[in-house]
Order: sequence, then C-alpha cells, then structure tokens
Amino acid sequence: DQQVKQNSPSLSVQEGRISILNCDYTNSMFDYFLWYKKYPAEGPTFLISISSIKDKNEDGRFTVFLNKSAKHLSLHIVPSQPGDSAVYFCAASFYNTDKLIFGTGTRLQVFP
Amino acid sequence: NAGVTQTPKFRILKIGQSMTLQCTQDMNHNYMYWYRQDPGMGLKLIYYSVGAGITDKGEVPNGYNVSRSTTEDFPLRLELAAPSQTSVYFCASSRGGGGPDTQYFGPGTRLTVL
Repeated sequence: DQQVKQNSPSLSVQEGRISILNCDYTNSMFDYFLWYKKYPAEGPTFLISISSIKDKNEDGRFTVFLNKSAKHLSLHIVPSQPGDSAVYFCAASFYNTDKLIFGTGTRLQVFP
Repeated sequence: NAGVTQTPKFRILKIGQSMTLQCTQDMNHNYMYWYRQDPGMGLKLIYYSVGAGITDKGEVPNGYNVSRSTTEDFPLRLELAAPSQTSVYFCASSRGGGGPDTQYFGPGTRLTVL
C-alpha cells in the first residue's frame, strides 16, 4: 500500500518556465513533508520541507505548497534551469519520528 | 568533512553468497538508516539506528542484518543473497531526536545478485 504517491513518472519543461511536481498521500497523520532531489549515480539530497501547520514554504526558486484537505503537496520550480534535471522524491514522516516514507519519484527534464 | 560514505560502489554476488555493505558518517549524527531503491520505486527503509548499540527494523528488513557498535559506522549484512535483493542501497544519517530532521545520503551501492 503506497502511502505517498507521485503519479507522474516524468515531466518535461522548457528552460525558464515553471515546473510543477505533484505528490499525494493517504495518511492524514503525516506531520512533515520533504522533497529530495537525486542525480544519477548519487544519493538523494534534501531540497525543501514543510510542516503540516503551514501551507507554503519558499526557498529561492523552490516553493512547496501543502493542501491538507486534499492530502496533496506540490513543488514549484521557477524559473526552471537545465541543472534542475533530476529525479525528485516526495517524502513524509509522522510526528516526532525521523522515519521517512518516500514516493516513487518524478523524473524532471528541463530542455533549452 | 566527507559526509556519508559507502563502500563498495558496485558488487555482483552469486545466489547464496554473503556480503557486508559499509557505511560511515563523519557528522557525529545519532541516527543512521539503510534504504533500498528498486527500479521505478521509491526508497524503502530496511533498518535504522538511533544510536550506538540500538537498531530497529524498517519496512523491508527480511534477509538483512545490521549492527551499530560506533556512532560513525552502520554496516548492513546480507547473509544469503537472493535475486530479490538486487537493488541500489543507500545509507543515510541525521542528527536525530525531537522530530523530523534532514537526512543526508551516501552515494549508494549497486548490488546485483545472479
């Protein structure tokens, strides 16, 4: 049973445009959500996170939106750059625990 | 500061062989984790440790063992390799305690069992 779902396995966006990556979850007890970015042959690296008490968190070109009623979060990248081409994983955790549950990932390709 | 290092980078095993995947972190993190990633899938937690001498099972622990004798090291042991254990293995660490915290990942070990 996949508790964190990324239904789009891939996304292709032109450089300079907005990239929107989506993530849905099924367990309303999740308290904290994170996005990780992964390049080939490397481990995932932390990108941005959001607590369930917020609905938006911004860090430079990256913004994460959380809609608790819909159990949905999204990552916006504006403007997209070729270096953003990677696999993006959404992850969630329960209150007061460090264990993460990952989605299956979305491969983003940013073309010139 | 090397972060999280993993050895080996690649390994091919025959069915029934055993091996240990090494993981070391130099950030003085309390918590350490082992994940596996199968093709087209997300990362699944195998085992984790909240400190030296303390380990616990994650989502997919069968076929694996771990130990944590020091803060820095968290090896993962495969006793009887099976084709289903063909995967990429990632070790991670975090400061730990008091709620969610950023996990820092190693570069991974790609294991093939034939």
